[in-house]
Amino acid sequence: GAVVSQHPSWVICKSGTSVKIECRSLDFQATTMFWYRQFPKQSLMLMATSNEGSKATYEQGVEKDKFLINHASLTLSTLTVTSAHPEDSSFYICSARTGGDGYTFGSGTRLTVV
Amino acid sequence: GENVEQHPSTLSVQEGDSAVIKCTYSDSASNYFPWYKQELGKRPQLIIDIRSNVGEKKDQRIAVTLNKTAKHFSLHITETQPEDSAVYFCAASKGASGTYKYIFGTGTRLKVLA
Repeated sequence: GAVVSQHPSWVICKSGTSVKIECRSLDFQATTMFWYRQFPKQSLMLMATSNEGSKATYEQGVEKDKFLINHASLTLSTLTVTSAHPEDSSFYICSARTGGDGYTFGSGTRLTVV
Repeated sequence: GENVEQHPSTLSVQEGDSAVIKCTYSDSASNYFPWYKQELGKRPQLIIDIRSNVGEKKDQRIAVTLNKTAKHFSLHITETQPEDSAVYFCAASKGASGTYKYIFGTGTRLKVLA
């Protein structure tokens, strides 16, 4: 089946630095990828929708300059958390549309900013 | 904006009993309703889904019902087992008219007691 590989699975970074998270579709072309953030014991909150070759569409309240999304190819989308702060610590997870209404999720990245 | 409410937030049942989780959506244009199971620190896994032209769907011990008029849909798990313990999320999507994005419910933590 369709697989999305997400890296890294966890990262610890210092406050003020930037972190890049990658999601790759391994056996299909992902024209649309979604990025979610999930705080402990909470739901998945959609941050942005990215379409290959075009600018990402951000949800209300999500800072586009802080969470940079790039979807330059049909198999790779990246999320860069710029100038990370402790409040950005969270579980970030991508999902790719596999056709029709179906999604497949990446394995998630636990970001801890110290 | 679009909203999906999910109840209860936590649910404990004895092994072998049934569990029911309910969701209500706000946007009548929603036409696809998946349910996901998420174990701690893992990616959400699709367990069942239903489209708006169907009232009920069953897959072994899991069933989903949809009431379009009331904008309710529910997950039913029968003969629960300890391995059913996880967090369950419902979601609603408007398909192409909503760029296929999912709006997730707030999650239900299910504990099956042996």
